[in-house]
Amino acid sequence: AQSVAQPEDQVNVAEGNPLTVKCTYSVSGNPYLFWYVQYPNRGLQFLLKYITGDNLVKGSYGFEAEFNKSQTSFHLKKPSALVSDSALYFCAVRDHMIYNQGGKLIFGQGTELSVKP
Amino acid sequence: GAVVSQHPSWVICKSGTSVKIECRSLDFQATTMFWYRQFPKQSLMLMATSNEGSKATYEQGVEKDKFLINHASLTLSTLTVTSAHPEDSSFYICSASFFPPGSNEQFFGPGTRLTVL
Repeated sequence: AQSVAQPEDQVNVAEGNPLTVKCTYSVSGNPYLFWYVQYPNRGLQFLLKYITGDNLVKGSYGFEAEFNKSQTSFHLKKPSALVSDSALYFCAVRDHMIYNQGGKLIFGQGTELSVKP
Repeated sequence: GAVVSQHPSWVICKSGTSVKIECRSLDFQATTMFWYRQFPKQSLMLMATSNEGSKATYEQGVEKDKFLINHASLTLSTLTVTSAHPEDSSFYICSASFFPPGSNEQFFGPGTRLTVL
């Protein structure tokens, strides 16, 4: 069965410091991996995805994520955090072999990022 | 591009009434739309997958007679909460995906806050 784990409910970072939001996954085949951000009372905004190729993926707003197959991880990173990055972050996975599921995504439980000035 | 809208953004209704929520892909054709439910500070729970012109596929535990989904066109899906009760109060989010959905990200609507009195 597919699953995603975000081990930290909350991450606190000082503005200007690097940030990492952790994500590990479990799929039967090769994964498609996604990161989304959600601001209060809003839908999710797409940040980046890993499908194949280079393990380091660059996305929106200066975020990047590194796919590590041996550790089954896809941690989200940013070199210098901004107060405006404070939001709820979701990691999601889809197994590319399961087309008959119509592209269903499995979401992690979310990590609340708080960036203080 | 790839904008998804939802209407209404919030709705308050009396117990026992029905509420319809619309999800539209504004600038692309979405063969597949997804409906999620989210409780405060929690992850998204997939309710159903909706394919244009066919019956929706509901997740286990979701009552199909209570949450009616219609995907009548490539740009519109609707979720009707029938005979709403206070426990149906939640944040409902839709998403849409290009075909094929495998490697493509889902684009999310801004969500609809439903409060049942």
